[in-house]
Amino acid sequence: TQLLEQSPQFLSIQEGENLTVYCNSSSVFSSLQWYRQEPGEGPVLLVTVVTGGEVKKLKRLTFQFGDARKDSSLHITAAQTGDTGLYLCAGGGADGLTFGKGTHLIIQP
Amino acid sequence: DAGVIQSPRHEVTEMGQEVTLRCKPISGHDYLFWYRQTMMRGLELLIYFNNNVPIDDSGMPEDRFSAKMPNASFSTLKIQPSEPRDSAVYFCASSPSPGLLYEQYFGPGTRLTVT
Repeated sequence: TQLLEQSPQFLSIQEGENLTVYCNSSSVFSSLQWYRQEPGEGPVLLVTVVTGGEVKKLKRLTFQFGDARKDSSLHITAAQTGDTGLYLCAGGGADGLTFGKGTHLIIQP
Repeated sequence: DAGVIQSPRHEVTEMGQEVTLRCKPISGHDYLFWYRQTMMRGLELLIYFNNNVPIDDSGMPEDRFSAKMPNASFSTLKIQPSEPRDSAVYFCASSPSPGLLYEQYFGPGTRLTVT
């Protein structure tokens, strides 16, 4: 069974600060996705990375896939209150899609 | 284009009652997934379908849970009889033929409370 561990589990920072959250596994994934989930809603796909070492940017969000395709990071620059939510990573492989338990992010004004 | 539609959004029922959750996937998506989300266990895959056929139901917790997909635009997840430990948010998601990407599109979820 492929497992994804996300850290930190909870993070609360002030608006304007930068942050990085992590997604780690001992397994290799063919692709890795990041989702954001807001209270009362379903997860929404932010990005998919497929190549080891790949970096994708989505406005203030930067996603990186590890060289060995076992881990990923999400960096947010100048966080805004609208970034508040649960950030989930999910790895694609032979077992289908495996989700981590997520990082609960709170951006305080 | 409408996203994944789930109904009801909230369901409160008493232990022992039958519960049916409904899902309409995005048109043209070949895959449909049912998940359960709790604080303790996170997002758990219960079952998924490809072209209306159940492919993997190993995540279905026990025989009280069943899922059907009679056609490409409709699926149900049934719990009979329901128990308090079934209380969770249930999500339906759909995906085009995934290849290596497995990108999924989630509905808004059904929050189930069993008292």
